[in-house]
Amino acid sequence: AQSVTQLDSQVPVFEEAPVELRCNYSSSVSVYLFWYVQYPNQGLQLLLKYLSGSTLVKGINGFEAEFNKSQTSFHLRKPSVHISDTAEYFCAVKNGGSQGNLIFGKGTKLSVKP
Amino acid sequence: EAGVVQSPRYKIIEKKQPVAFWCNPISGHNTLYWYLQNLGQGPELLIRYENEEAVDDSQLPKDRFSAERLKGVDSTLKIQPAELGDSAVYLCASSPGGINTEAFFGQGTRLTVV
Repeated sequence: AQSVTQLDSQVPVFEEAPVELRCNYSSSVSVYLFWYVQYPNQGLQLLLKYLSGSTLVKGINGFEAEFNKSQTSFHLRKPSVHISDTAEYFCAVKNGGSQGNLIFGKGTKLSVKP
Repeated sequence: EAGVVQSPRYKIIEKKQPVAFWCNPISGHNTLYWYLQNLGQGPELLIRYENEEAVDDSQLPKDRFSAERLKGVDSTLKIQPAELGDSAVYLCASSPGGINTEAFFGQGTRLTVV
């Protein structure tokens, strides 16, 4: 079964510093990859997705992610974070094919400090 | 366009009582998911519908949990009887369907079993 590993449960950073949130998935023939953000007491909101094509994907709020098939990774990056980026971030994978479920990692809590 | 609507937002019940959650997906979305999210964890899939058919309910604890999606639109998730360990946030999400589209999430129902 497909699985997602988010290597860091918490990432503290200072405002305006760069950040990388790591995500690895179990190998599959074809996968679709997503990053979601969750603010307190809210549902999940899509940041970006990789379906095919360019391995560098740009999303909302200045985030981007790079799909690396050989390393089965999909790390999320932002060059300069803001206080408002403080939230929980979830990596998710969906297997190619009509039977695919959307499976989530355990999440990484990003805390941006002034 | 209205998003995924869930109700109630919060529910407190005593253990052994029944409880039901309701989800209205985005109009035209064929795929509907129910997830359970424990505090500090990622969403865990309970059941996925394609139209009115439950195509994957392998993670649904069928001794106490049940779900239905009448006419392939609204869905209800029920727990009977509830246990203390069922306290969590229950998230509903919908997707247009197909193999490569993201899921749109409701705000969730926070259940507290006392």
